[in-house]
Amino acid sequence: KQEVTQIPAALSVPEGENLVLNCSFTDSAIYNLQWFRQDPGKGLTSLLLIQSSQREQTSGRLNASLDKSSGRSTLYIAASQPGDSATYLCAVRQGEYGNKLVFGAGTILRVKS
Amino acid sequence: DVKVTQSSRYLVKRTGEKVFLECVQDMDHENMFWYRQDPGLGLRLIYFSYDVKMKEKGDIPEGYSVSREKKERFSLILESASTNQTSMYLCASSLADRQALQSGYTFGSGTRLTVV
Repeated sequence: KQEVTQIPAALSVPEGENLVLNCSFTDSAIYNLQWFRQDPGKGLTSLLLIQSSQREQTSGRLNASLDKSSGRSTLYIAASQPGDSATYLCAVRQGEYGNKLVFGAGTILRVKS
Repeated sequence: DVKVTQSSRYLVKRTGEKVFLECVQDMDHENMFWYRQDPGLGLRLIYFSYDVKMKEKGDIPEGYSVSREKKERFSLILESASTNQTSMYLCASSLADRQALQSGYTFGSGTRLTVV
């Protein structure tokens, strides 16, 4: 059974720092991995999607990498801002019927001004 | 530019009521999903649908049913609401399994349901 783990569970950094969020998964037979952002009381916003054949994806200050063989992904946030404060979730889409997403528990990020 | 719309942001219902949560997507996605999210338990899949009139149970289907009469609409039904169904409910959609490699999930903004 696929398990997704995110480390750290919570992170507090001063504004302007570069930071890395980690995601690991136990079964490498995935179609893709998706990073989401969730603000308190809101839905999930997709940040980046990495296909299983890709190594990384970039969007603005965000860069996500994928090492499928080792079951790891990282989300790099450059020059963090208070507006980046949110919960970040990673999820893998795997090859079961219905292609369900399996989520990690998330990393709660606080960027202090 | 809203792509997955959940009809209500907040709902308060009484125990025993029949509750309908509606979700509409405008991306012509085949797959639609209902999750609930609770502190400490993360997101849990309730039901999903891969085609009109098709449905599959997720991890926690007890106490829920679903309806998908049209491709763009997926409804979650609480047959007799109970207090333990107080939660955040999230709807999502995605392209079909054959396009899984390049297709992500799109989520709605969520419905916070309180059952009193």
